[in-house]
Amino acid sequence: AQKITQTQPGMFVQEKEAVTLDCTYDTSDPSYGLFWYKQPSSGEMIFLIYQGSYDQQNATEGRYSLNFQKARKSANLVISASQLGDSAMYFCAMREGGSGGSNYKLTFGKGTLLTVNP
Amino acid sequence: EAGVTQFPSHSVIEKGQTVTLRCDPISGHDNLYWYRRVMGKEIKFLLHFVKESKQDESGMPNNRFLAERTGGTYSTLKVQPAELEDSGVYFCASSQDAGQYNSPLHFGNGTRLTVT
Repeated sequence: AQKITQTQPGMFVQEKEAVTLDCTYDTSDPSYGLFWYKQPSSGEMIFLIYQGSYDQQNATEGRYSLNFQKARKSANLVISASQLGDSAMYFCAMREGGSGGSNYKLTFGKGTLLTVNP
Repeated sequence: EAGVTQFPSHSVIEKGQTVTLRCDPISGHDNLYWYRRVMGKEIKFLLHFVKESKQDESGMPNNRFLAERTGGTYSTLKVQPAELEDSGVYFCASSQDAGQYNSPLHFGNGTRLTVT
């Protein structure tokens, strides 16, 4: 079964508007971390934001926020006031706490290609 | 601080040839990971080093792939002989602490491998 599901292969948004990128996850581990990475056309993978399974508040980092709904197992990324430079592939990923040292793997979704239109 | 660096950025080889990819992690990061993204698919875990030791190589596709990390610094990933299905982007990542699930991995720019 897919551990990370990103249902939107592509998304379009107008500059200065907000956009939500969906991510659902599947785990039976009570301890886990959720990450979002951005991959622009230049290829690097840029860490954006993190949400822990025990965090009470939704994570925020500048224009990025994470809409964390634990019961629904979703961790959607919200980008406010989109900019042209936000055009990129966005990956949702999970790291499970596990036991016996299994918590080092990041499991990725397939990604969402975001295009910001002027 | 310098980030994770990978070399080469692109490589085009013929089927049956050998290619060696190199990764220099962030200084002081004991944990080094290799991932691969085949076109249109998820980024998949290949293996994990802690210093010079292989902690987990369960994601290595077959014995044509050999990863090393001599001295616990940089790492190489050799593909020999390369097959068409090995084409993709190979990412290296490092982290200071593998024991915390809230610790992000820092990725390099990747090596785009094309096997013709």
